[in-house]
Amino acid sequence: DVKVTQSSRYLVKRTGEKVFLECVQDMDHENMFWYRQDPGLGLRLIYFSYDVKMKEKGDIPEGYSVSREKKERFSLILESASTNQTSMYLCASSGQGKGTGELFFGEGSRLTVL
Amino acid sequence: AQTVTQSQPEMSVQEAETVTLSCTYDTSESDYYLFWYKQPPSRQMILVIRQEAYKQQNATENRFSVNFQKAAKSFSLKISDSQLGDAAMYFCAYTVHNFNKFYFGSGTKLNVKP
Repeated sequence: DVKVTQSSRYLVKRTGEKVFLECVQDMDHENMFWYRQDPGLGLRLIYFSYDVKMKEKGDIPEGYSVSREKKERFSLILESASTNQTSMYLCASSGQGKGTGELFFGEGSRLTVL
Repeated sequence: AQTVTQSQPEMSVQEAETVTLSCTYDTSESDYYLFWYKQPPSRQMILVIRQEAYKQQNATENRFSVNFQKAAKSFSLKISDSQLGDAAMYFCAYTVHNFNKFYFGSGTKLNVKP
């Protein structure tokens, strides 16, 4: 059974804290993504990575950074969390240029910043 | 710029009836893929159906089918014989051939009434 696993389902952090959201996939996919999901706004791309140590900014990268040291793992980092980063964060992966192009999602990490 | 628009924030359907969710997109590409994803409450996002732009035939998956109108840039999802388990957020999505960037609509919440 293919899987994208996000380390935390629910997190509560304080303003100014550093936050790490981890994502691991077991499908040997080249592409990995971090999305932010807010009501009425759909999914907005924060960052994506198409290879180890490679990353590209998405539509809303401000306030976030990412790390991809291994193919299966893609981390999202909030250097100094702010209340406007309270949201649902979704990790996803896909095969590059092959297969069905389907995005496989993790269960999501709901972050609350107080 | 690529955009995906879902104009129906919420819809309701009676169990066993048919419902159609709308999606339009904007692109200058000729080779692309369209998807409908389903996100049940508090559960993982999963693929419902996929359409390649170069295929004229509309995709079908059991009770789910699409009406793909390439010239009009329209991609609607029809759910036949609606079931209680179909209640979810539905997202329309678009990507180009290398699958490294996906664009999502804002979502349609589907309620199914018993």
